[in-house]
Amino acid sequence: KQEVTQIPAALSVPEGENLVLNCSFTDSAIYNLQWFRQDPGKGLTSLLLIQSSQREQTSGRLNASLDKSSGRSTLYIAASQPGDSATYLCAALFNDYKLSFGAGTTVTVRA
Amino acid sequence: DAGVIQSPRHEVTEMGQEVTLRCKPISGHNSLFWYRQTMMRGLELLIYFNNNVPIDDSGMPEDRFSAKMPNASFSTLKIQPSEPRDSAVYFCASSSGPATEAFFGQGTRLTVV
Repeated sequence: KQEVTQIPAALSVPEGENLVLNCSFTDSAIYNLQWFRQDPGKGLTSLLLIQSSQREQTSGRLNASLDKSSGRSTLYIAASQPGDSATYLCAALFNDYKLSFGAGTTVTVRA
Repeated sequence: DAGVIQSPRHEVTEMGQEVTLRCKPISGHNSLFWYRQTMMRGLELLIYFNNNVPIDDSGMPEDRFSAKMPNASFSTLKIQPSEPRDSAVYFCASSSGPATEAFFGQGTRLTVV
């Protein structure tokens, strides 16, 4: 079964600290991996998409890496701010064209 | 573009009633997905369409659930009859192709009492 796992489930850091969010997937035959942000009671906002042929993607303070051979992706958020507090979800697109989601990591950035 | 638009945002209905959720994908996108999110099970794919054709509906939980996409700019997810365990947030997402970036709507929070 194709699964996506995110550990830890929750993370609390002081403002200014760098955030490292982990995502692992069981099948290395993925088309792409996408990171989303979800605020309470809201929809999902796409942050970054990494194609299977890429190693990383960057957008502002966000950087996501992909290591297909080890089945891992990491989202780095530099110099965290209270506004970064949210749940971050990773989703892997497997060869059946189904986006499989992890359970998410809920981040709290303390002012 | 206004993004993926879902309606209604909130729906409260009584058990046994029919519920219809609506979605307008981003213009030009030809893949559309319906997801359900619950605390217990997270985000689950219910069904996805490509060029208005249902490609995979293996995630649809029961025959009470049905989805249609009559044209490229509109899709519905219907539950008939609804049950309390159907209470969840239902998301619609679209993309320009099955392996491209997916964009989500704000969701419909369904409560069945």
